[in-house]
Amino acid sequence: AQSVTQPDIHITVSEGASLELRCNYSYGATPYLFWYVQSPGQGLQLLLKYFSGDTLVQGIKGFEAEFKRSQSSFNLRKPSVHWSDAAEYFCAVGAVGYSTLTFGKGTMLLVSP
Amino acid sequence: DGGITQSPKYLFRKEGQNVTLSCEQNLNHDAMYWYRQDPGQGLRLIYYSQIVNDFQKGDIAEGYSVSREKKESFPLTVTSAQKNPTAFYLCASSIWRDTQETQYFGPGTRLLVL
Repeated sequence: AQSVTQPDIHITVSEGASLELRCNYSYGATPYLFWYVQSPGQGLQLLLKYFSGDTLVQGIKGFEAEFKRSQSSFNLRKPSVHWSDAAEYFCAVGAVGYSTLTFGKGTMLLVSP
Repeated sequence: DGGITQSPKYLFRKEGQNVTLSCEQNLNHDAMYWYRQDPGQGLRLIYYSQIVNDFQKGDIAEGYSVSREKKESFPLTVTSAQKNPTAFYLCASSIWRDTQETQYFGPGTRLLVL
């Protein structure tokens, strides 16, 4: 069975500092990988996705993520965090032919002034 | 505007009562999904449907029921058998079997027990 681990429940970053959120997955097939963001009381917004090809993918709001097959990781990065980035971030994994996704438990990002 | 709508935003349930959460999409997506979100638990799949008049149980289907009579609509009923229904419920949709199938989410419904 597939699984997704987001090791950090909370992360606090100073505004303007760089950010890396970790995501590790366990999946037998070639994975599809996603990062979503959720503001309080809202639905999930897609930040970026990886299906194949270039392992460094760019997303919205200045985010990027790198797929590392050898480490089973898909970490999310941003070079300079803004206060509006404070939210909860979810990593998810899926596969070709299987429309369901498995989600991690999320990482709450707090941005300090 | 194309998108996914969920109603109501807040819903209150009395003990022993069934309640129905609405999910509508105008994206012409084939597949629709219901997730339950609890603090610190991430999203857990309740039911999903890949085509009209067909649906499958997810990981936590007990106490819930769904129907898919129209492509655009996938209502979720929380029955009295669900003993702990207080949660945030999210609906999503996707183009099934698309080479880059991606799920898009609605704004959610928060269900509270009186």
